[in-house]
Amino acid sequence: DAGITQSPRHKVTETGTPVTLRCHQTENHRYMYWYRQDPGHGLRLIHYSYGVKDTDKGEVSDGYSVSRSKTEDFLLTLESATSSQTSVYFCATRPDMFAEKLFFGSGTQLSVL
Amino acid sequence: AQTVTQSQPEMSVQEAETVTLSCTYDTSESDYYLFWYKQPPSRQMILVIRQEAYKQQNATENRFSVNFQKAAKSFSLKISDSQLGDAAMYFCAYRTGGGSQGNLIFGKGTKLSVKP
Repeated sequence: DAGITQSPRHKVTETGTPVTLRCHQTENHRYMYWYRQDPGHGLRLIHYSYGVKDTDKGEVSDGYSVSRSKTEDFLLTLESATSSQTSVYFCATRPDMFAEKLFFGSGTQLSVL
Repeated sequence: AQTVTQSQPEMSVQEAETVTLSCTYDTSESDYYLFWYKQPPSRQMILVIRQEAYKQQNATENRFSVNFQKAAKSFSLKISDSQLGDAAMYFCAYRTGGGSQGNLIFGKGTKLSVKP
């Protein structure tokens, strides 16, 4: 969808290890978002970016950091993964502030053991 | 803060029948958008239909239509002539309108099963 690639698609890691998830887009969209999806919670916003080096926190940002050094890449880092961060992570993009639609990546299944 | 509530965790419908999924939301804003997303087992998020709050006419996309009741803050999705491929999780979502950061606020989802 809209040239969004999330990597890795699946990852298993151990508690306490750092993890970085990558979102890459080829559409030159200005806005990028990280959501997590958990049963019974729907999708919740972690962080978002409104331009290169411009980021802000979402609803569930504790334990996560992000970086956007290039328009096409938005990285999500778990500094020290915990079991509560086991989830499916979705990246989404939006062309500009007036665009209605968000475009979603295929998600990353992260398991923290 | 805006909230979105989907009160039906699971729904079931017979193939070829009609089903309605409920969604209510809370906001103090007058300019916003509402969406229904479908998530099949493939995990892909697929936009089904969207509604601008300033439009009184209910949105329709083929077999999918909404009943938008702005005063009641209700946004239900009707699926007509249900097909096996309609089986999925359905999420209702809200976004502030105008030139905003565009964050979507999602409901918890409704899992729809379609019986042959």
